[in-house]
Amino acid sequence: GAVVSQHPSWVICKSGTSVKIECRSLDFQATTMFWYRQFPKQSLMLMATSNEGSKATYEQGVEKDKFLINHASLTLSTLTVTSAHPEDSSFYICSASPERQGTRETQYFGPGTRLLVL
Amino acid sequence: AQKITQTQPGMFVQEKEAVTLDCTYDTSDPSYGLFWYKQPSSGEMIFLIYQGSYDQQNATEGRYSLNFQKARKSANLVISASQLGDSAMYFCAMREGGDSNYQLIWGAGTKLIIKP
Repeated sequence: GAVVSQHPSWVICKSGTSVKIECRSLDFQATTMFWYRQFPKQSLMLMATSNEGSKATYEQGVEKDKFLINHASLTLSTLTVTSAHPEDSSFYICSASPERQGTRETQYFGPGTRLLVL
Repeated sequence: AQKITQTQPGMFVQEKEAVTLDCTYDTSDPSYGLFWYKQPSSGEMIFLIYQGSYDQQNATEGRYSLNFQKARKSANLVISASQLGDSAMYFCAMREGGDSNYQLIWGAGTKLIIKP
């Protein structure tokens, strides 16, 4: 099956620093990658959709200057949380879709990154 | 309006019993897909089962089956012979064919706890 890796799995950082999270599709080319944020005991909240080679599309209420997304290749997307603050602490999950095949194709999820900002 | 509704925030079920997790959806798109995912405490999202709007039969994958009632817009997940390892959050999601990005629309989730 399709595998998506995410790195790091855990990060603790000081307030004001920037954190980069990588999402890689290991055995397929990802036309589209999605970044989600999840608070404890809540559902996934879509932050942005990125297509390779183009700018990410951010959901309403998500600051694009705060959460920088780069989808430079068909196997790699990065999310950079700039000037992180404690309220940015959350679980961040990426997912990737192979070449579009209609509604049937599932998204393949990375294992997630837990961010704690002190 | 909520497009995906999961009305059960939490469920306790005795081991080896069958369990049904409810999901109702709302869409005017004739082409759509419905997904169920399992999220254990580790956080990973595990794809369980898929049902397409044009599929004639209910989907089944091992112990998982989907009770798809199109007229009622419901897509309940049935887990037969539950096991302790089934304890997790379960999310219902929908993808609409008219969405060129094929985003998933998520329900709030149901926390399932299997009792020994």
